[in-house]
Amino acid sequence: ETGVTQSPTHLIKTRGQQVTLRCSSQSGHNTVSWYQQALGQGPQFIFQYYREEENGRGNFPPRFSGLQFPNYSSELNVNALELDDSALYLCASSHSGRTNNEQFFGPGTRLTVL
Amino acid sequence: QKEVEQDPGPLSVPEGAIVSLNCTYSNSAFQYFMWYRQYSRKGPELLMYTYSSGNKEDGRFTAQVDKSSKYISLFIRDSQPSDSATYLCAMILSGSARQLTFGSGTQLTVLP
Repeated sequence: ETGVTQSPTHLIKTRGQQVTLRCSSQSGHNTVSWYQQALGQGPQFIFQYYREEENGRGNFPPRFSGLQFPNYSSELNVNALELDDSALYLCASSHSGRTNNEQFFGPGTRLTVL
Repeated sequence: QKEVEQDPGPLSVPEGAIVSLNCTYSNSAFQYFMWYRQYSRKGPELLMYTYSSGNKEDGRFTAQVDKSSKYISLFIRDSQPSDSATYLCAMILSGSARQLTFGSGTQLTVLP
């Protein structure tokens, strides 16, 4: 059983640019959630994708968008990058049919916005 | 006021000590409670999951939930240097599609 993988590991962008982060869910999982973790803080929920549609969204502006593909992998896109977008971006996968709410996290992508 | 409050520490204990980590929350609609461990430069790893008041034990770890006081705890017995990490409490609202709300994390160091 393969775990959750994310790419790239690190990324440096400048303010105003756009970025795409990628996530491959754990084998057998059909739901993907994205979280933003600022330094010294807990992760904050961005949104969740299930059956290729957004299924819940946190308090993030529309310039944060995502996609889920038929193989359940996912992308997080951020437009018009701001300095405060610098953070660790975590992807978590789970299976909607299981009742234990367990989510498995990937290692994250560390984004630095200069 | 944050929905979930967690003492950020840092907390430093000698090897073999009992560690107590705590979170409080304000929304009584939180129904599911987790503790995650996060090593430096890694994603969070689920340690404990519970959905009812009371205690749940798994090896050296015990999770405690008191819904009447809106308070959860994680106890680590016989702490080891390998337990040094950041511990995050997390909660899910009833009917919220598994959206995790995290505390800010407590950084723990277990000294050999």
